[in-house]
Amino acid sequence: KAGVTQTPRYLIKTRGQQVTLSCSPISGHRSVSWYQQTPGQGLQFLFEYFSETQRNKGNFPGRFSGRQFSNSRSEMNVSTLELGDSALYLCASSWRTSGGTGELFFGEGSRLTVL
Amino acid sequence: AQSVSQHNHHVILSEAASLELGCNYSYGGTVNLFWYVQYPGQHLQLLLKYFSGDPLVKGIKGFEAEFIKSKFSFNLRKPSVQWSDTAEYFCAVKTGNTPLVFGKGTRLSVIA
Repeated sequence: KAGVTQTPRYLIKTRGQQVTLSCSPISGHRSVSWYQQTPGQGLQFLFEYFSETQRNKGNFPGRFSGRQFSNSRSEMNVSTLELGDSALYLCASSWRTSGGTGELFFGEGSRLTVL
Repeated sequence: AQSVSQHNHHVILSEAASLELGCNYSYGGTVNLFWYVQYPGQHLQLLLKYFSGDPLVKGIKGFEAEFIKSKFSFNLRKPSVQWSDTAEYFCAVKTGNTPLVFGKGTRLSVIA
């Protein structure tokens, strides 16, 4: 069974640009969560989608947005990139939304570097 | 809001030494508890989990964790570490319908 797939794995952008990251969950999983991982802050929750609806949102500015498609694949977008957005962006999928057990299955992440 | 504290930022141990990584959370209601591990260059993977029942849970690769409700703690232990245990370890807590909250992680370096 294929795991969570994230693309691209690595990307370099400059300040002011925008970026779109993609995530394909494990087959049958309908919930997709996004986290930002940085050395100083660990994993910080961005948002969660279930059945194409945003169910939870973390404390990030409006430059960070996401969506989920009918096949459960998800994208997140960051506009007007800042240096501080450099991070590993992790996607995780699960069977159920946040009302479930909380067990998440993670992808390998998309490493974004902003110059 | 729930918060998770991992007391050690970086732990260095010799092979065969015993390991204990601390994890405390702030909200004392019903919780689901997790330890995830991230080996160098690999994705986060589940090490063990606690939902209910026996507070001593066993996970993969000889790891175990003990849930002490009165102390809001879920410490990770391993009697004898190996070089291959070098990784970053994350404690995570789930409360109600809120998203999974992670600690900032503990980097474990095991030296020969």
